[in-house]
Amino acid sequence: QKEVEQDPGPLSVPEGAIVSLNCTYSNSAFQYFMWYRQYSRKGPELLMYTYSSGNKEDGRFTAQVDKSSKYISLFIRDSQPSDSATYLCAMSANDYKLSFGAGTTVTVRA
Amino acid sequence: GAGVSQSPSNKVTEKGKDVELRCDPISGHTALYWYRQSLGQGLEFLIYFQGNSAPDKSGLPSDRFSAERTGGSVSTLTIQRTQQEDSAVYLCASSRGQAYGYTFGSGTRLTVV
Repeated sequence: QKEVEQDPGPLSVPEGAIVSLNCTYSNSAFQYFMWYRQYSRKGPELLMYTYSSGNKEDGRFTAQVDKSSKYISLFIRDSQPSDSATYLCAMSANDYKLSFGAGTTVTVRA
Repeated sequence: GAGVSQSPSNKVTEKGKDVELRCDPISGHTALYWYRQSLGQGLEFLIYFQGNSAPDKSGLPSDRFSAERTGGSVSTLTIQRTQQEDSAVYLCASSRGQAYGYTFGSGTRLTVV
């Protein structure tokens, strides 16, 4: 079993829809949680960062962490074609080494 | 520079040859990381450098892989006697030390034929 599980999709939604992404994990020591966006042939870029449990909102993006269920989510509201990318969850126990999910490929149709 | 620079962007090599991949981190970033991304897989941690401390090499998959960081700046990842399973995108990242502060380069796409 992988340490971090993420459904690879692909996920296709119409413009304006809410995109819902999630990951589960097995290591209870994880306390730093991140979501990255990766465009084709580019490196991942940080979207959201959350320490421990709770919700965090930044513009159209909301990240949720439920440590009791070992489950994290990312929601994208009012999705745009420019949101089409691969989204990777990542988490860390020690604040330097990240464990990544496999990534979910999202397409937002105009 | 403004971002993390990696070279070459693409590398095709024959099985059994050695390759060197270069990473030039953001100036002032003390931490440097190498990850590997294979098709359909998440990023796999390889090695971590932080300042003058001994590197964390726990992710290197075999003794054919090695990395160094000279002068606390540029890093080179070397793969000796390449195998087909080494084909992947090798990503470098740097930060001021915290995991949330990673900035990734665009990667080197390595193909072993």
